[in-house]
Amino acid sequence: DQQVKQNSPSLSVQEGRISILNCDYTNSMFDYFLWYKKYPAEGPTFLISISSIKDKNEDGRFTVFLNKSAKHLSLHIVPSQPGDSAVYFCAASGQDHPYSGGGADGLTFGKGTHLIIQP
Amino acid sequence: DAGITQSPRHKVTETGTPVTLRCHQTENHRYMYWYRQDPGHGLRLIHYSYGVKDTDKGEVSDGYSVSRSKTEDFLLTLESATSSQTSVYFCAISRVGHEQFFGPGTRLTVL
Repeated sequence: DQQVKQNSPSLSVQEGRISILNCDYTNSMFDYFLWYKKYPAEGPTFLISISSIKDKNEDGRFTVFLNKSAKHLSLHIVPSQPGDSAVYFCAASGQDHPYSGGGADGLTFGKGTHLIIQP
Repeated sequence: DAGITQSPRHKVTETGTPVTLRCHQTENHRYMYWYRQDPGHGLRLIHYSYGVKDTDKGEVSDGYSVSRSKTEDFLLTLESATSSQTSVYFCAISRVGHEQFFGPGTRLTVL
C-alpha cells in the first residue's frame, strides 16, 4: 500500500516555463513533507520542505504548496532551467522521535517524477 | 556536502555470500539511515539508528542487519546475499528536524 504517490513518471517542460510536480499522500499522520532532486549516479539532494502547519514555502525558484484537506502537495519551479532536469522525489515524515523532535524514524518516498527541461 | 561517504561504491558478488556496506559520517550526527532504491519503488527504508548501539527496522528490513558501534559508522550487512538484493543503497544522516542528507550510494549486484 503506497502511502506517498507521484502519479506522473515523467514530465517535459520547456525552458523558462513553470514546472509543476505533484504528490499525494494517504497517511494522515504525516506532518512534514520534503522534495528531493536526484541526478543519475548521485545521492538525492534535499530541495525544499514544508510543515503541515503551513500551506506554502518558498525558496528562490522553488515553491512547495500543501493542501492538507486534499492530502496533496506540489512543487513549482519557476523559471525552469536545463539544470533542473532530474528525478524529483516527494517524501513524507511523521512520528517525532523523543531525542530530536524530528521525524527520525525515516522518510517515506514516492516513486519519483523524471523532469525533462526542453531547450 | 553532508560529510557522508559510502564504501564500496560498486560491488559485484555471488548469491549466498555475505556483504557489508559501510557508511561513514564526519559530522557526529545521532541519526543515520539505510535506504535502497529500485526502479518503480523510489527509496525504501531498510534500517535506521538513533545512537550508538540503538537501531530499529524500517519497511524492508528482512535479509539485512545493521550495527553501529561508533557514532561515525553505520554498517549494513547482507548475511547471505540474494539476487533480490541487487539495488542501489543509500546512507543518510539527519541533523536537526526532518531533513535527511544522503551519501553518494553503493551499487550492489548479486549474481
